Amino acid sequence: AQKITQTQPGMFVQEKEAVTLDCTYDTSDPSYGLFWYKQPSSGEMIFLIYQGSYDQQNATEGRYSLNFQKARKSANLVISASQLGDSAMYFCAMWGAYNTNAGKSTFGDGTTLTVKP
Amino acid sequence: NAGVMQNPRHLVRRRGQEARLRCSPMKGHSHVYWYRQLPEEGLKFMVYLQKENIIDESGMPKERFSAEFPKEGPSILRIQQVVRGDSAAYFCASSPGDRVYNEQFFGPGTRLTVL
Repeated sequence: AQKITQTQPGMFVQEKEAVTLDCTYDTSDPSYGLFWYKQPSSGEMIFLIYQGSYDQQNATEGRYSLNFQKARKSANLVISASQLGDSAMYFCAMWGAYNTNAGKSTFGDGTTLTVKP
Repeated sequence: NAGVMQNPRHLVRRRGQEARLRCSPMKGHSHVYWYRQLPEEGLKFMVYLQKENIIDESGMPKERFSAEFPKEGPSILRIQQVVRGDSAAYFCASSPGDRVYNEQFFGPGTRLTVL
């Protein structure tokens, strides 16, 4: 069975500072992808970044980077230079490769990030 | 280049009625996923479909819920004889299915309220 744990229900960060949102996972699948999504108060789910389990380098997308530590089974999201528009709920998720295990999509309970001016 | 479309955006039903939620995937995407999000909670996987096939329905309640993705037309999530506990946001996502790891693109969701 797959499991995603996000231990921070809420986080605060000062505008322009960096923040790390924690995510740990558990799976018996040898190959998997880890994903982060943002859900603003408007409710839509916005894809941010993903990391494949066999990728050698940590993924980066603009101000988002994923600190992937496979041995520790962690996939933390780092947001640099926080902006007020980053205030939202953030979800860590995982599923398998080639859609064969995509049906085992698992999401964490989310972390609410509030950026202070 | 339309994204994933869901309709209706808001749906109100009385207990015992049926709810039909529609999802049109992104152009070129043949894989559809349905999720349920209860207030203040994360997303819970319900079902994964490809055209005319249910691939994984391990997250679907055994009764009253069904899903389909016909050859033509949108994917439908159907909830029969709704109860108050069915009130939630239902999200549909789609992916192309042609890469090793396929990110899922989400629709805006359907907010179901059962009175």
